[in-house]
Amino acid sequence: DAMVIQNPRYQVTQFGKPVTLSCSQTLNHNVMYWYQQKSSQAPKLLFHYYDKDFNNEADTPDNFQSRRPNTSFCFLDIRSPGLGDAAMYLCATSFHGIYTDTQYFGPGTRLTVL
Amino acid sequence: GENVEQHPSTLSVQEGDSAVIKCTYSDSASNYFPWYKQELGKRPQLIIDIRSNVGEKKDQRIAVTLNKTAKHFSLHITETQPEDSAVYFCAASEGGGADGLTFGKGTHLIIQP
Repeated sequence: DAMVIQNPRYQVTQFGKPVTLSCSQTLNHNVMYWYQQKSSQAPKLLFHYYDKDFNNEADTPDNFQSRRPNTSFCFLDIRSPGLGDAAMYLCATSFHGIYTDTQYFGPGTRLTVL
Repeated sequence: GENVEQHPSTLSVQEGDSAVIKCTYSDSASNYFPWYKQELGKRPQLIIDIRSNVGEKKDQRIAVTLNKTAKHFSLHITETQPEDSAVYFCAASEGGGADGLTFGKGTHLIIQP
């Protein structure tokens, strides 16, 4: 089945220890997004890739970076996680075209910072 | 940037009754408005969406209406069922671009048996 896959589903890290979250997709979509969702809040867009073009939201902290080595994969790097970075991280994909902008979400990675 | 307001934050209805959730947006350039349902611990799932060239869209018990002049859009769920209990998010984007979604704060819908 075509889908958006995130690994790991649960990640525990220590304060200040770098962590990388992974997203892959079999939908052949040209846009990939990373959202942060804290408890009882709405998802908040961190950044997105349109093909290889990187688009950073103005208020995304410098502590967060992303890589997209190819169409199928996208990574979220948190250089020095703080307690406030504990959240669900959602990857989403869409196809930038004429008829649809539907975003399909992965299952998320729940990050715990100790 | 875009700002999306969503009301109410919590909505409790009797099973079988209708539920209405309302959103407003600020950016007149936004033209794509999806609604997502999110159950506890799960991913957001698209339930219906609408584009600015359409005033209303319906899919079985779910409908969305859009008033582009007033920058309002609403979700209507009829004949509510226990499995409709979840958090519902409205969102907006400048569809046609590759921009991400700006979400409302969510509505916790509770269906009372």
